[in-house]
Amino acid sequence: SQELEQSPQSLIVQEGKNLTINCTSSKTLYGLYWYKQKYGEGLIFLMMLQKGGEEKSHEKITAKLDEKKQQSSLHITASQPSHAGIYLCGAEDSGGGADGLTFGKGTHLIIQP
Amino acid sequence: DTAVSQTPKYLVTQMGNDKSIKCEQNLGHDTMYWYKQDSKKFLKIMFSYNNKELIINETVPNRFSPKSPDKAHLNLHINSLELGDSAVYFCASSMRGSNYGYTFGSGTRLTVV
Repeated sequence: SQELEQSPQSLIVQEGKNLTINCTSSKTLYGLYWYKQKYGEGLIFLMMLQKGGEEKSHEKITAKLDEKKQQSSLHITASQPSHAGIYLCGAEDSGGGADGLTFGKGTHLIIQP
Repeated sequence: DTAVSQTPKYLVTQMGNDKSIKCEQNLGHDTMYWYKQDSKKFLKIMFSYNNKELIINETVPNRFSPKSPDKAHLNLHINSLELGDSAVYFCASSMRGSNYGYTFGSGTRLTVV
């Protein structure tokens, strides 16, 4: 199985500022998933990327997968307190949608008012 | 309607006891999983079941045994609980070949005392 490196491990951002979280693998990423976890709660699905160069947006969150399919970034514009939580990237060893996910160690995001 | 539901949400038990955590999904998915999240929030896959067959079995102690009575249920039974088993356990499900990703339950916080 592959290993995913997330950076930064933690991030403190002033409300209204933009931020980026990165997820990197040494292997090709098949099905890159971004989830958000609020402290003490379950995982909320954000986005899934499959194709090299793909970019998806939802509200103020944009996720990209690079052309080589080895790195993904999650960008939040004009951050709000509701964005606080743990962001996890997960990837499949092969495409198919049913192999399970290997996760990075997460990025803890704190939004300062 | 809850897509993936786990019970109980919290479980406190003594060392040496045997306990089960139940999981049910109403999404019609054909694959279900158990993940363990440790105190550092690292999420790691333990098992997955596809059509009642175990297809991933990570290096977890054999005190842990998944049981799937049907496609909609995957229960986790743990024998002889140890202090190190304290963690949050997440159930998830997916559909092979689909692009809808993995849906996670809200987690079961297990504390062994």
